[in-house]
Amino acid sequence: DVKVTQSSRYLVKRTGEKVFLECVQDMDHENMFWYRQDPGLGLRLIYFSYDVKMKEKGDIPEGYSVSREKKERFSLILESASTNQTSMYLCASSYKTGTSLSSYNSPLHFGNGTRLTVT
Amino acid sequence: AQKVTQAQTEISVVEKEDVTLDCVYETRDTTYYLFWYKQPPSGELVFLIRRNSFDEQNEISGRYSWNFQKSTSSFNFTITASQVVDSAVYFCALSAIMMDSSYKLIFGSGTRLLVRP
Repeated sequence: DVKVTQSSRYLVKRTGEKVFLECVQDMDHENMFWYRQDPGLGLRLIYFSYDVKMKEKGDIPEGYSVSREKKERFSLILESASTNQTSMYLCASSYKTGTSLSSYNSPLHFGNGTRLTVT
Repeated sequence: AQKVTQAQTEISVVEKEDVTLDCVYETRDTTYYLFWYKQPPSGELVFLIRRNSFDEQNEISGRYSWNFQKSTSSFNFTITASQVVDSAVYFCALSAIMMDSSYKLIFGSGTRLLVRP
């Protein structure tokens, strides 16, 4: 079974802190994603990556950055945490079927989330 | 515009009732994929099914069934004889290639299903 592991289940940080959310997958998936989940808004894509050292902005990248130095690890960075970044953060991975563009049919495998509270 | 609408925010049923979760999508693409995911209280979204736009056959897996109708742009999910363990938030999602050749997975806002004993 694919396992996507997020380093923290709950996190409480202060406004202005730099926050790192770590995600590791063990199935050699090329694609990795960071979403945030808020009530009534569903899941919104922050950033994604198709390969090592490669990153693409999603729908709501402002205030976030990412790092993918190794294939299995995808980190989400909040440069200066703000209260409106209080949310559930979900990491996901998927396999690449042919070119990256054709990976849109691959199911995502999710971690169990990090609930971040910024005070 | 690409969009997924799950109009039912929350549904509550008694165990053993059948329940249908609605999903309506919008896309101009002819090639796309639809997905359902389940998010139990533990938080981890679990993939349930994928359907491509060229396959309108309905699918049944145990107590779960899916009805895909392109004519109404709907991909509804029915749970027969619901059980308490079915309590979760269910997300419908659409994956399609955008004009710039990137792809995008668009989630609905989710339907929270509560199955009472």
